[in-house]
Amino acid sequence: SAVISQKPSRDICQRGTSLTIQCQVDSQVTMMFWYRQQPGQSLTLIATANQGSEATYESGFVIDKFPISRPNLTFSTLTVSNMSPEDSSIYLCSVVASGNTIYFGEGSWLTVV
Amino acid sequence: DQQVKQNSPSLSVQEGRISILNCDYTNSMFDYFLWYKKYPAEGPTFLISISSIKDKNEDGRFTVFLNKSAKHLSLHIVPSQPGDSAVYFCAASAGTGANNLFFGTGTRLTVIP
Repeated sequence: SAVISQKPSRDICQRGTSLTIQCQVDSQVTMMFWYRQQPGQSLTLIATANQGSEATYESGFVIDKFPISRPNLTFSTLTVSNMSPEDSSIYLCSVVASGNTIYFGEGSWLTVV
Repeated sequence: DQQVKQNSPSLSVQEGRISILNCDYTNSMFDYFLWYKKYPAEGPTFLISISSIKDKNEDGRFTVFLNKSAKHLSLHIVPSQPGDSAVYFCAASAGTGANNLFFGTGTRLTVIP
């Protein structure tokens, strides 16, 4: 497995502001992903963070709203831009470490007020 | 359309008894199945997986059963312990990468001491 650290773990943000979430992995991994879990819902994939190129976004998610960086094989950031209360959610960084098993970070719990 | 379904949002079980969590899927191309456990304010933790070439996989107190003809899998926890109280997510994939991984909506298990 991989050890994945995320920060911040929790934050309360003002409407209209942006927040960047950091994800650090203890080993080099090819594939890093960002998920969201809204209250009472399942995990939804936002995008795949590609090292050295632009992230690949899933349907319903766009780069302007969720810019992602992946400067190397152990680190990625997700920015939630121009936040609204609908963005209140847990944001999770994840990696594929063995086979097709995905491992998750502890999550970043954002509340937008 | 939800390709992976967990129809029971919650389950309560007495300590020491068996917990059975169920999951149904619709996509016959799924060939790898996983269970994750999630405590509040933490990221999902990988529990156990099974590939479509097997019908059972066991790891300690956790056993996953796969019935491909019924497109159904289940997670058995024996004996259940209070520390098992968490939300359990079923996931299925058809190929590698998180963009091919689909999660159910979760079942909240409460183990009563």
